[in-house]
Amino acid sequence: DQQVKQNSPSLSVQEGRISILNCDYTNSMFDYFLWYKKYPAEGPTFLISISSIKDKNEDGRFTVFLNKSAKHLSLHIVPSQPGDSAVYFCAASNNAGNMLTFGGGTRLMVKP
Amino acid sequence: DGGITQSPKYLFRKEGQNVTLSCEQNLNHDAMYWYRQDPGQGLRLIYYSQIVNDFQKGDIAEGYSVSREKKESFPLTVTSAQKNPTAFYLCASSIIGEKLFFGSGTQLSVL
Repeated sequence: DQQVKQNSPSLSVQEGRISILNCDYTNSMFDYFLWYKKYPAEGPTFLISISSIKDKNEDGRFTVFLNKSAKHLSLHIVPSQPGDSAVYFCAASNNAGNMLTFGGGTRLMVKP
Repeated sequence: DGGITQSPKYLFRKEGQNVTLSCEQNLNHDAMYWYRQDPGQGLRLIYYSQIVNDFQKGDIAEGYSVSREKKESFPLTVTSAQKNPTAFYLCASSIIGEKLFFGSGTQLSVL
C-alpha cells in the first residue's frame, strides 16, 4: 500500500509559468515532508521541506504548501526555468526516526 | 569536501554472482541508507543503519545484505538470491531526524 502518492507521472510547463507538483499521503503519523529533485543517473538533491506545524514554506522560487486535513502537499515553482526539468520526489516521515517514504516521482519538463 | 561517495558508477553482474556496492560518507552522519530505484518508479528502502554494527531491513531487503563496521561505510551486497537486481542503487546518509543526503548512485545491470 503506497503511503505517499504522486498521481501525475509527468508535467509539461512553459518557461516563465508556474509549475505545480502534487503529493498525497495516507499516514496521519507523517509530520515532516520533503521535496527532492533528481536528474538522470544522479542522486536526488534536497529542495525544500515543511513540518506539520506549518502550512507553507518558501525558498526563493520554490514554495511548498501543506494541507493536513486533506493529507495533501504541493510544490510550486515560479517562474519555471528549463533547468528545473527533472524528476521531483515527494517524501514523508514521522518523528519516530527519519525513515523517509517516497512517492513515485513526477517528471517535470519546462519548455523554453 | 564533505559528501557521499558511491562506487562504482556502473556495475555488471553475472548469473549467480554476488556483487558489492560501496558507499562512504565523510559527513559524520550516524544514519545511512540504501534505496533502489527502478525505471519510472520511486525510491524503495532496502536497508538502513542508525549506528555502527546495527542495521535494519527496509521494505525490500530480500536478496540483499549489508554491514556497518565503520561509521563512514555502509556497503551493500546484492546476492545471487536477488532475482531482479537490475536497478539504480542510491546510498544516503543523515543526522538522525534530519534530511537525507544522497550519493550519485550505482547502476547495476545483469549480463
